[in-house]
Amino acid sequence: EVQLVESGGGLVKPGGSLRLSCAVSGFTFSSYSMNWVRQAPGKGLEWVASIFSSSTYTYYAESVKGRFTISRDNAKDSLYLQMNSLRAEDTAVYYCARAGGNWEYFSDHWGQGTLVTVSS
Amino acid sequence: DIVMTQSPDSLAVSLGERATINCKSSQSLFYSANNKNYLAWYQQKPGQPPKLLIYWASTRESGVPDRFIGSGSGTDFALTINNLQAEDVAVYYCQHYYSPPPWTFGEGTEVEIK
Repeated sequence: EVQLVESGGGLVKPGGSLRLSCAVSGFTFSSYSMNWVRQAPGKGLEWVASIFSSSTYTYYAESVKGRFTISRDNAKDSLYLQMNSLRAEDTAVYYCARAGGNWEYFSDHWGQGTLVTVSS
Repeated sequence: DIVMTQSPDSLAVSLGERATINCKSSQSLFYSANNKNYLAWYQQKPGQPPKLLIYWASTRESGVPDRFIGSGSGTDFALTINNLQAEDVAVYYCQHYYSPPPWTFGEGTEVEIK
């Protein structure tokens, strides 16, 4: 069974940093690209970042480019999102999701999400 | 960037009836090299993560009931829910995954029971 479990969310002050982690199991992690998608309270879904299976390519939404870094450790079956210079508008539930394949960036399996709150 | 526009914002449908959600992209999502449309549909119930229903515009994900039908090509797509059930109450999103990113979502359509 495919499982994705996010961790690392919490309350952080504006300008602060946070690192999200996503531990996966039930599939060959190194064969799939991965996505981070977020959802602000009461709002719709927003694609945040994606990473190729071998980390060769990374992609970011304009709203987070230069502040967030997506990475992965295929030996540890883990995905990460380093978030710096956080803003109030980054407050959201952050979902880790498996891409449909290496080049197909729809999300076929999702974690339960971790809440990030940016507030003073 | 490709903009995804869903309509309506919400709809109320009687049990057993049909619900149709539209999704329009600002650019074609059809890639002629592989004859595929880079469009997915998701269902999100309250307090839950999204669930993939449809990809390649019309391919149903494993385990998704056949009353969910994806259609369309190019810039105009639709998700049809036949024989609406109580458990189908949710918000539905379309998303394009045509490169290059950003792989944007539509704003969502809330489906309720009339």
